[in-house]
Amino acid sequence: DVKVTQSSRYLVKRTGEKVFLECVQDMDHENMFWYRQDPGLGLRLIYFSYDVKMKEKGDIPEGYSVSREKKERFSLILESASTNQTSMYLCATRDGTTGELFFGEGSRLTVL
Amino acid sequence: AQSVTQLGSHVSVSEGALVLLRCNYSSSVPPYLFWYVQYPNQGLQLLLKYTSAATLVKGINGFEAEFKKSETSFHLTKPSAHMSDAAEYFCAVSENFGNEKLTFGTGTRLTIIP
Repeated sequence: DVKVTQSSRYLVKRTGEKVFLECVQDMDHENMFWYRQDPGLGLRLIYFSYDVKMKEKGDIPEGYSVSREKKERFSLILESASTNQTSMYLCATRDGTTGELFFGEGSRLTVL
Repeated sequence: AQSVTQLGSHVSVSEGALVLLRCNYSSSVPPYLFWYVQYPNQGLQLLLKYTSAATLVKGINGFEAEFKKSETSFHLTKPSAHMSDAAEYFCAVSENFGNEKLTFGTGTRLTIIP
């Protein structure tokens, strides 16, 4: 079974802090994604990556950056957290053969 | 550009009744379509997918969906609702099976009435 592990289920940070959200997968998938999930808005794509050191902006990249130094790890970085970044963050990998996305359990971030 | 519209952010059905969750898509090319389910405090998991083979797709837990090109729809159904079906359901579209991103709808929360 594919396993996508997000390092923190719940985080509370203060405005202006730098935040790292880590995601690790164990299935050697090339494609990895970061979404944020908000009530009534569904899932919105922040960034995605096709390969190591490759990244592409999604629909809402402002205020975020990403890092992919190793194939299995995809990190989301909030350089200076703001209250409007309070949300559920979901990491996913995609099987290039079947097209299926596999999701982690999510990281719920609260910015005070 | 691809997009998905899910009609009804909340749907309630009685246990044993038919479940119908609506999804309409927009795509400039023949699409790949997906339904995902999210149980409380969990990530999303795949229910079923359409990949241009059969237009009626069967998924897990007794769910199925029918691709109707003329209506640009991919509605999710289940003949008889069970309490364990209570969850949030997301429809998603992709124009490519490989690297292309999925675009998700805003979700439908399904409540089952005992």
